[in-house]
Amino acid sequence: DGGITQSPKYLFRKEGQNVTLSCEQNLNHDAMYWYRQDPGQGLRLIYYSQIVNDFQKGDIAEGYSVSREKKESFPLTVTSAQKNPTAFYLCASSIRQGNQPQHFGDGTRLSIL
Amino acid sequence: SQQGEEDPQALSIQEGENATMNCSYKTSINNLQWYRQNSGRGLVHLILIRSNEREKHSGRLRVTLDTSKKSSSLLITASRAADTASYFCATDDTGANSKLTFGKGITLSVRP
Repeated sequence: DGGITQSPKYLFRKEGQNVTLSCEQNLNHDAMYWYRQDPGQGLRLIYYSQIVNDFQKGDIAEGYSVSREKKESFPLTVTSAQKNPTAFYLCASSIRQGNQPQHFGDGTRLSIL
Repeated sequence: SQQGEEDPQALSIQEGENATMNCSYKTSINNLQWYRQNSGRGLVHLILIRSNEREKHSGRLRVTLDTSKKSSSLLITASRAADTASYFCATDDTGANSKLTFGKGITLSVRP
């Protein structure tokens, strides 16, 4: 079955710690995205990548970093600079960017210890 | 920045009734998409309607788009308890490098 796998499902971060959220897709999609979802806020774009070894900042990139070394993988690191990281993080992919539906993983819920 | 605004914020109906949800947006778009999200899960794509289309159907779903009013509606006919979820509209804005901008969502409850 093709799809997007996010791991872990739940993650806890200690003060001053960086944590990395995994996102893997086997849909052979070129474009991948990271969103943050807070209650009542809808989805906000953190970073996106149109192709391997290339990515751009979204609307709320501060305190986050990404890499796109392989087509299938787009990990998100939540750094200690992100002072309010508690949220539901969603990864998505699309065949290419623009005029395409996005396919989503089942999310990672990040909380502060 | 959020472009789409859904209306109402919450909707509760009886099984078998129709559910109508609306979305308004501010700038010109390439397309508008509707997604469903069950509690604690990722979003599932429902339907994409391009700016030159006025109506689209998929099973029990009917989507309309009025670019002159910058609005869209999603109609779910003969609703089922399994339709209970949050529904989001997302716009693919022209000049925005084809990023999607999501609204805050509508919570639909279908009572058995």
